[in-house]
Amino acid sequence: SQQGEEDPQALSIQEGENATMNCSYKTSINNLQWYRQNSGRGLVHLILIRSNEREKHSGRLRVTLDTSKKSSSLLITASRAADTASYFCATYDMRFGAGTRLTVKP
Amino acid sequence: EAGVVQSPRYKIIEKKQPVAFWCNPISGHNTLYWYRQNLGQGPELLIRYENEEAVDDSQLPKDRFSAERLKGVDSTLKIQPAELGDSAVYLCASSFPGGRGTDTQYFGPGTRLTVL
Repeated sequence: SQQGEEDPQALSIQEGENATMNCSYKTSINNLQWYRQNSGRGLVHLILIRSNEREKHSGRLRVTLDTSKKSSSLLITASRAADTASYFCATYDMRFGAGTRLTVKP
Repeated sequence: EAGVVQSPRYKIIEKKQPVAFWCNPISGHNTLYWYRQNLGQGPELLIRYENEEAVDDSQLPKDRFSAERLKGVDSTLKIQPAELGDSAVYLCASSFPGGRGTDTQYFGPGTRLTVL
């Protein structure tokens, strides 16, 4: 069964805009990870946030975690066309949601 | 450092035929995962190994799927017999040292299976 669920399912923005996608999960977690998958390519790890962390940054990525709401968000700032991909969250035991399909228009 | 290697990259078979996928994880990674990903969906975990031991195979359809990881390194995933619904991309991933969601997973390019 899937653990993480991403929202929205699809998101389309212009280059330079920020993109925010959310992830909800069902059970207690030790950490939560975000992955990216470009069309026709494998999954690439983006960032891991631990359950005792509330916010984490990596370059243009900002991840927040609210364990009381069992939710996380991924913010991509100053988006680029190369950010076009599907983004997945994964929780304990590495169960993935269906993903958010992000399209960044040049 | 070499990444996770999978073969073949593509496989087309007729239903009821057997098929096998091979995965070579990153050297030193003792945790290995097999996933199935349907079009437009996220990866679905099939089985997770810690060294040679399958520690989570709750999602593996055991009537037709089998997996093995000899000597705690390479792994093979087999389907016999294949059904039309098995058409998907089969992904292998590995991590170090202990998995369980605490370590970064490195994914292979996957094997795209088409069952006719």
